[in-house]
Amino acid sequence: ETGVTQSPTHLIKTRGQQVTLRCSSQSGHNTVSWYQQALGQGPQFIFQYYREEENGRGNFPPRFSGLQFPNYSSELNVNALELDDSALYLCASSLTGGRGNTEAFFGQGTRLTVV
Amino acid sequence: AQRVTQPEKLLSVFKGAPVELKCNYSYSGSPELFWYVQYSRQRLQLLLRHISRESIKGFTADLNKGETSFHLKKPFAQEEDSAMYYCALRMSARQLTFGSGTQLTVLP
Repeated sequence: ETGVTQSPTHLIKTRGQQVTLRCSSQSGHNTVSWYQQALGQGPQFIFQYYREEENGRGNFPPRFSGLQFPNYSSELNVNALELDDSALYLCASSLTGGRGNTEAFFGQGTRLTVV
Repeated sequence: AQRVTQPEKLLSVFKGAPVELKCNYSYSGSPELFWYVQYSRQRLQLLLRHISRESIKGFTADLNKGETSFHLKKPFAQEEDSAMYYCALRMSARQLTFGSGTQLTVLP
């Protein structure tokens, strides 16, 4: 059984640039959620993807967007980066089925620094 | 709107002492409550969930709907319990709403 993997682990971007973060879900999982964790805070929900469609969104502007692919992997895209976007971005996968949603398994995160 | 509050950012106890990490929530529906733990240099992982009502690594947590609390307890803390602990609430089988976390340090 493979776990949730995220890439890259770290990156540095300049304000105004665009970034794409990637996540491979755990084997057998069909749902991916993205979270932003600022320093000293708990993770904050960005959005969730199920069956390649956005299935819920937190309080984040439209410049945060995502994709889910047929193999259930996912991307998080952030346009027009701002300094406050500097954070740890976490991906979590789970299985959504007839009995609801299983526990979420988290990746190790991508540390984004915007300068 | 749902909200999770963990009033203590830092908590230190001595090895063998009881420990309680507090969590209060606000949510109008029937929530699912979880405790996640993050050990040093490791990823966030599930410790326990209220619906399973089990004890993991000696930790238990009881959902008190009257007090809207889900405190995490362990009667005898161990040094390996030192970690960051997050309480989380899930609604509509979708997002988790996390508290800001409590850093637990168990002193020798």
